[in-house]
Amino acid sequence: AQSVTQPDIHITVSEGASLELRCNYSYGATPYLFWYVQSPGQGLQLLLKYFSGDTLVQGIKGFEAEFKRSQSSFNLRKPSVHWSDAAEYFCAVGAFTGGGNKLTFGTGTQLKVEL
Amino acid sequence: KAGVTQTPRYLIKTRGQQVTLSCSPISGHRSVSWYQQTPGQGLQFLFEYFSETQRNKGNFPGRFSGRQFSNSRSEMNVSTLELGDSALYLCASSMGPANSPLHFGNGTRLTVT
Repeated sequence: AQSVTQPDIHITVSEGASLELRCNYSYGATPYLFWYVQSPGQGLQLLLKYFSGDTLVQGIKGFEAEFKRSQSSFNLRKPSVHWSDAAEYFCAVGAFTGGGNKLTFGTGTQLKVEL
Repeated sequence: KAGVTQTPRYLIKTRGQQVTLSCSPISGHRSVSWYQQTPGQGLQFLFEYFSETQRNKGNFPGRFSGRQFSNSRSEMNVSTLELGDSALYLCASSMGPANSPLHFGNGTRLTVT
């Protein structure tokens, strides 16, 4: 069965500083990987996805992530954090059984941005 | 294009009652999935429907059920509510192929007292 680990429950960064959120996955085949962001009281918004090809993927809001098969990681990065980036971030791996579409999520990383 | 719409946004129910939540997917999307989000268990997959057929099911008791209509709208039902069913229920839609990303609604916050 697939699983996702986000080792950091909370992260605090200063506005303008760089950010890296860690994600490790376990999946038997080539994974489909996603990062979502959730603001309080809202649903999840897709930041970026990796299916195949270039291991560095660009997403919305200036985020990027790098797929490293040897480390089973898919870390999310942003060069300069804005106060509006404060939210909870979820990494997810896709399992496509029976032609269906099912995501397994990590436990999330709560990002706080200090002004 | 309108996003995924979930109704109602908030619900308060009593133990033992049943509840129905509704989800309207993005126009053209044929797959609808449901997830439960709680502080203790995080985001857990409930089930997925595609063209009115359940394609995947998570590890939830039979009290949790769903269906999808011919216009792709979906409902989920929880019978005999328990306190532990209090959660944010999120609906997500996608085009349907296995690698199509999920687009989530803002959820229905269910509180069971």
